[in-house]
Amino acid sequence: DVKVTQSSRYLVKRTGEKVFLECVQDMDHENMFWYRQDPGLGLRLIYFSYDVKMKEKGDIPEGYSVSREKKERFSLILESASTNQTSMYLCASSFGQGATYNEQFFGPGTRLTVL
Amino acid sequence: GQNIDQPTEMTATEGAIVQINCTYQTSGFNGLFWYQQHAGEAPTFLSYNVLDGLEEKGRFSSFLSRSKGYSYLLLKELQMKDSASYLCAVIDSNYQLIWGAGTKLIIKP
Repeated sequence: DVKVTQSSRYLVKRTGEKVFLECVQDMDHENMFWYRQDPGLGLRLIYFSYDVKMKEKGDIPEGYSVSREKKERFSLILESASTNQTSMYLCASSFGQGATYNEQFFGPGTRLTVL
Repeated sequence: GQNIDQPTEMTATEGAIVQINCTYQTSGFNGLFWYQQHAGEAPTFLSYNVLDGLEEKGRFSSFLSRSKGYSYLLLKELQMKDSASYLCAVIDSNYQLIWGAGTKLIIKP
């Protein structure tokens, strides 16, 4: 079974703090994604990566950065957290470099609250 | 702009059949996904359609009409565990995945 794990289920941070969200997948997938999910909105892509050291901006990259130093790990960084970044963050991975037509496997999500 | 429309919420009765619609206006089309997401959990893959027609998978079926920009997910013999949100997502001409806001399905006994 593909497993995608995220470092925390719930996180509370203060405005201005630097926040690290970690995601690890165990199926040797090339592609990894970070989304945020807010009520009434579809999943919005923040960043994605099709290979180690590679990253591409998604639809809403402002205020975020990412790191992919190893194939299995994709980290999302909030350089200076703000209240409008309070959200559910979902990590996903998929097989086949750049193959959008392959299903994505999602982690359980991190519910981040910024006070 | 790119747009995917799904009803926000639907209610159905245990044992019945429900159809969840998804209409899309995107720059091109290269496939459509349906995912299921239980409250507080990760989305999980249900189906992928790229050609017109109906694909059946047990109690769940997914239909696609590319000319109408329309898909539906059909759930038969509803069970309480089918209470979840159902997400429609379309691959556009740039091979980017565009997600709908999801349909919350409530099953009543």
